Amino acid sequence: DTGVSQNPRHKITKRGQNVTFRCDPISEHNRLYWYRQTLGQGPEFLTYFQNEAQLEKSRLLSDRFSAERPKGSFSTLEIQRTEQGDSAMYLCASSLIPTGSQETQYFGPGTRLLVL
Amino acid sequence: EDKVVQSPLSLVVHEGDTVTLNCSYEVTNFRSLLWYKQEKKAPTFLFMLTSSGIEKKSGRLSSILDKKELFSILNITATQTGDSAVYLCAVEPYNQGGKLIFGQGTELSVKP
Repeated sequence: DTGVSQNPRHKITKRGQNVTFRCDPISEHNRLYWYRQTLGQGPEFLTYFQNEAQLEKSRLLSDRFSAERPKGSFSTLEIQRTEQGDSAMYLCASSLIPTGSQETQYFGPGTRLLVL
Repeated sequence: EDKVVQSPLSLVVHEGDTVTLNCSYEVTNFRSLLWYKQEKKAPTFLFMLTSSGIEKKSGRLSSILDKKELFSILNITATQTGDSAVYLCAVEPYNQGGKLIFGQGTELSVKP
């Protein structure tokens, strides 16, 4: 399978615990995005990387959230001291920026987080 | 603030019907509009639209963009139960790193 993969697919945790999600983009894709989707809503942008550089973070991304892409390949999203309001689907997407053209983002299956 | 609004939020039709889903947007520095289909998993890409009036077509699905009136429609003809999904509209502004601004989605249910 050469698509975007995410692990784990489901995570149940207790409030106050830390969780970490992983995203493996399509190989050679230089951009990687994180979105959050709550029930009945469209995905909301959280942050994105171009190679290993994190270039933008949304105001939705509080200090408890941190994302990394250390080698410009896979990325991790960590949530510290989880709260019930963090319960959502966390989606990762990747794209390739070809010169002089526009990109399409391809999404992974998501990690569904439930904070009890 | 940039926003994307989809209508209707949900729709129930019978197999064989034709449906039209709507997406309107208010975005500074519009670059492109995208449609995705989301079943109980990852959104899958359908269309990218950048120019007004040029219809994009794939099988029974088609879409068109009106940059003057700031909206797009997605048409599905001869619907099948496999078309049941949430259809997401997203807009990409210029110079924002490619991030997408999504609407709430339209949940389509096709009954046999």
